[in-house]
Amino acid sequence: EPEVTQTPSHQVTQMGQEVILRCVPISNHLYFYWYRQILGQKVEFLVSFYNNEISEKSEIFDDQFSVERPDGSNFTLKIRSTKLEDSAMYFCASRDRGLGTQYFGPGTRLLVL
Amino acid sequence: DAKTTQPTSMDCAEGRAANLPCNHSTISGNEYVYWYRQIHSQGPQYIIHGLKNNETNEMASLIITEDRKSSTLILPHATLRDTAVYYCIVWYSGAGSYQLTFGKGTKLSVIP
Repeated sequence: EPEVTQTPSHQVTQMGQEVILRCVPISNHLYFYWYRQILGQKVEFLVSFYNNEISEKSEIFDDQFSVERPDGSNFTLKIRSTKLEDSAMYFCASRDRGLGTQYFGPGTRLLVL
Repeated sequence: DAKTTQPTSMDCAEGRAANLPCNHSTISGNEYVYWYRQIHSQGPQYIIHGLKNNETNEMASLIITEDRKSSTLILPHATLRDTAVYYCIVWYSGAGSYQLTFGKGTKLSVIP
């Protein structure tokens, strides 16, 4: 069964460093998403991506964040200068066209020290 | 904010049916009811969704009231592996990016 994959599973970084989180969505899906979940809190929407551009973003997704689909399979989230409060689980999701269901990856646990 | 109300927690005996309620009294005609679950800190897992009619798949059944203001997710024979946080999400099917808005969900504990 097709699934969304994410790498790395864990990432530890120093405050101020850049990180790139990677996702491989399900192959025939067209819409891509990043969500995050701070420990003990709700899953929060960050950004959606369709047709090689951002379609919607939340207030959390400020200028420190960017997304890219560098090739036909990968979808990345970059945090330019990490802060302590960026420590969270980051989930990638994808869905097909129309009313398709979103399928989530296993997540990347980011720890900023 | 999430447009649904769910109990904070529930217990269910292993092998019994788990019935998880959800209130969505402000749901509009083109909004679907989706259910996801999250085991520990894993990625949310899709369970089932519906618009008006009751739905069943290999994981669960979804019962939606006739006025669509509430629904119940039924896990027919709960196992220990069903212990998770269950999210009921109302999802707008119109134009837009269709992001999901998660609430706090119901923490289901399946007890041996």
